[in-house]
Amino acid sequence: QQQVKQSPQSLIVQKGGISIINCAYENTAFDYFPWYQQFPGKGPALLIAIRPDVSEKKEGRFTISFNKSAKQFSLHIMDSQPGDSATYFCAASMRTPGTASKLTFGTGTRLQVTL
Amino acid sequence: KAGVTQTPRYLIKTRGQQVTLSCSPISGHRSVSWYQQTPGQGLQFLFEYFSETQRNKGNFPGRFSGRQFSNSRSEMNVSTLELGDSALYLCASSISGISYNEQFFGPGTRLTVL
Repeated sequence: QQQVKQSPQSLIVQKGGISIINCAYENTAFDYFPWYQQFPGKGPALLIAIRPDVSEKKEGRFTISFNKSAKQFSLHIMDSQPGDSATYFCAASMRTPGTASKLTFGTGTRLQVTL
Repeated sequence: KAGVTQTPRYLIKTRGQQVTLSCSPISGHRSVSWYQQTPGQGLQFLFEYFSETQRNKGNFPGRFSGRQFSNSRSEMNVSTLELGDSALYLCASSISGISYNEQFFGPGTRLTVL
């Protein structure tokens, strides 16, 4: 059972455009939602994360929008740059002892930013 | 501050063999988690160790095991390797493994089973 669904699978955006990646979750016990960026040959790196008590979080060009009632969250990359070309993963976890480190990942979105 | 290191970076084994992968967490981090990444199944949680104890386990067969040492370094072992075990194995460390503690991933060990 896939608990975090991510779309689209791949995305091509022009330089300066907005990249939008969506995720939906099923388990209402999830209470921590990070986004990871992965470049080829590297491990995932945390980009930005949100808790369900806020509807939006912005860090630089990256914004997470969170809709608790719809059980959906999305990543917006403003002014996309070629250096943003990577694979992006949404994830979720529960803040209970012993489970917080168990991240459930989406299937990933391969973003390509063209000149 | 040094990041998470994993050794070896690449490994080729044949079916039926066993393999041990190593992970050194960031200094001061006590929680180490392991993930398997494949094109078909994506990133899947294997297990987490905290203070030398396995605290959580994913849905993998018993052929996958791990341990953590007193210095927080961790190893994972896969016995009786199968072709489907070919994957990138990622290790992540965090301070305590409590939610909202960022997990830092290593570069992974690429395991190929022939």
